[in-house]
Amino acid sequence: GENVEQHPSTLSVQEGDSAVIKCTYSDSASNYFPWYKQELGKGPQLIIDIRSNVGEKKDQRIAVTLNKTAKHFSLHITETQPEDSAVYFCAASMRGSGNTGKLIFGQGTTLQVKP
Amino acid sequence: DSGVTQTPKHLITATGQRVTLRCSPRSGDLSVYWYQQSLDQGLQFLIQYYNGEERAKGNILERFSAQQFPDLHSELNLSSLELGDSALYFCASSAAGTDTQYFGPGTRLTVL
Repeated sequence: GENVEQHPSTLSVQEGDSAVIKCTYSDSASNYFPWYKQELGKGPQLIIDIRSNVGEKKDQRIAVTLNKTAKHFSLHITETQPEDSAVYFCAASMRGSGNTGKLIFGQGTTLQVKP
Repeated sequence: DSGVTQTPKHLITATGQRVTLRCSPRSGDLSVYWYQQSLDQGLQFLIQYYNGEERAKGNILERFSAQQFPDLHSELNLSSLELGDSALYFCASSAAGTDTQYFGPGTRLTVL
């Protein structure tokens, strides 16, 4: 069945360092890959997404890369700040006919940025 | 603020009871999705509605049901509640023809 594996489960970095979170998906028909940030007591917040026709996308300190052949995608955060501390989720979906588009989530990565 | 609202924020109830969770999508969004977040299962897709019609179903229990009303708000009904149903329930919405899902703040359900 559809599955998304996410690693690592926890990540601790020093402020200013980079953080990388990796995900692997199983369904080769997946064509949309969002990343969400979830802070304590809040709902997931979309931070960046990429579609299967693009290999890389960047938004300020955040970038996502996609390798369709290997079915891998990764989140890169540069110059990390304490406010980046949160749980990050990757997801994959395949938008089907009739506007269907369920997200299959990875298990989450708890990122801690130490000042 | 995503523009998706959910009520109530917290719900505490007993086993065997029935509850209704409510979601209002972002203005203009026709799709509503329900997800369950628990410690052991992570974020799991339950069901999707598009403009009042069911469009996709995940591993939703038969004790759970949902509907989307003409004003596009949605309700998730959970019945014969068990301890294991304690979780965060999120609603998300998206515009027609788009992939991006915006999540609400969630409802925390505690079954005692």
